[in-house]
Formats: sequence, C-alpha cells, structure tokens
Amino acid sequence: DQQVKQNSPSLSVQEGRISILNCDYTNSMFDYFLWYKKYPAEGPTFLISISSIKDKNEDGRFTVFLNKSAKHLSLHIVPSQPGDSAVYFCAASVYSGNTPLVFGKGTRLSVIA
Amino acid sequence: EAGVAQSPRYKIIEKRQSVAFWCNPISGHATLYWYQQILGQGPKLLIQFQNNGVVDDSQLPKDRFSAERLKGVDSTLKIQPAKLEDSAVYLCASSSPHSTDTQYFGPGTRLTVL
Repeated sequence: DQQVKQNSPSLSVQEGRISILNCDYTNSMFDYFLWYKKYPAEGPTFLISISSIKDKNEDGRFTVFLNKSAKHLSLHIVPSQPGDSAVYFCAASVYSGNTPLVFGKGTRLSVIA
Repeated sequence: EAGVAQSPRYKIIEKRQSVAFWCNPISGHATLYWYQQILGQGPKLLIQFQNNGVVDDSQLPKDRFSAERLKGVDSTLKIQPAKLEDSAVYLCASSSPHSTDTQYFGPGTRLTVL
C-alpha cells in the first residue's frame, strides 16, 4: 500500500525550460511535505518543503504547489539546469515535529543541454 | 557544520553472515533515523530514536535486525544473519528537536549480500 506515489519514473527536459515533477498521496492525515534531491552515491539532500496550511512555497528556482483537495503536490524548477539532473523524492509526514517520512519511489530528472 | 557521517560506505557479505553499520548524526540533533532503500524504491523507515530511546521500530525485522544508540549520539545498525533481500542502501538521518520534519541524510552504506 503505497501512500506516496510518484507515477513518472523519469523525465527529460531541455536546459532553460521548466521541469514539473508530480506527487500524489493517499493518507489525508499527511500535513507536511518535502522534496529531496539525490545524486548517485550520495544521500538525499533536502530541497524544499510545504506545510498543509499553505498552497505554495518558493525558494529561488524551486516552487512547490500543494492541492490538498486533490491530494497532489508538484515541484517546479525554472529554469532547469544540467546540474538539476538527479532523482527527486517526494516525502510526507503526519505532523511536523520529528516524525518519520514516507517516501515515493522517486523521479529521475535529466536536464539536457 | 558537519553533516551526518556513515561508515562503511560499501559492504559485501555472503548470506547468513553478520554486518554492522555506524552513524554519527549532526551535532545537537536528538532524533536519529535509519532507513532502508532498496533499488528502485524510496527510503523506508526501519527505526527512529529520540536521544537514546526508541520511538518507532514497527518496521524493523527484529528477528535479524537490531539497532542501538547507547549514549544518545552515534548509532549502530546490525543485521544477523543477512539474507539476499537485505541488499540495499542503509541511510541514516537526523533532525533537530527545534525544527519541523526536515531530516538530513548521510551518504548511506551500500550493502550487497551474495
């Protein structure tokens, strides 16, 4: 029973264009969501997060959108750069405050120069 | 600020052997997590510590896996005996008691069981 789903295993985008990574969740108790980026042979690196009281959070080139009614969130990267090529994991937790994260399977983003 | 340290980075063993992984979290981080990441999957929680106490070990296969954090700082995860399906990357993460659920991960230990 997968509570966090990333249905696109991979995505290719041209450099300079927008990358949109999607994530769906089934547990309505989740109220904190995070995106992590992972390079080969490294651990996941925190990228951006959003609380359920917001519908958008922005940090530089990265924006996360949350649609609670649809149980859907997305990560937008604008403009995409070759260094953004990595596996992106969506994660969720029931409440903020040092609780375990539930991860999706990841989406491999390739930014083509 | 130093990140989460893990060792070894790679380990190859035969099935039925035992293996141990070590993690040193970010200084001051009271909460420590061990995750298992099987190829093609996202990380899955094995155990969570708050200081030296276990908060959640519901997904830890206790017949073969054990973990401890005796002094509330570094932690050891052990597998005995190992099975083929234990081949995975074992990730350690830590978080601050004053933060939300942002967890900071170490580089992981890649275990191959032959």
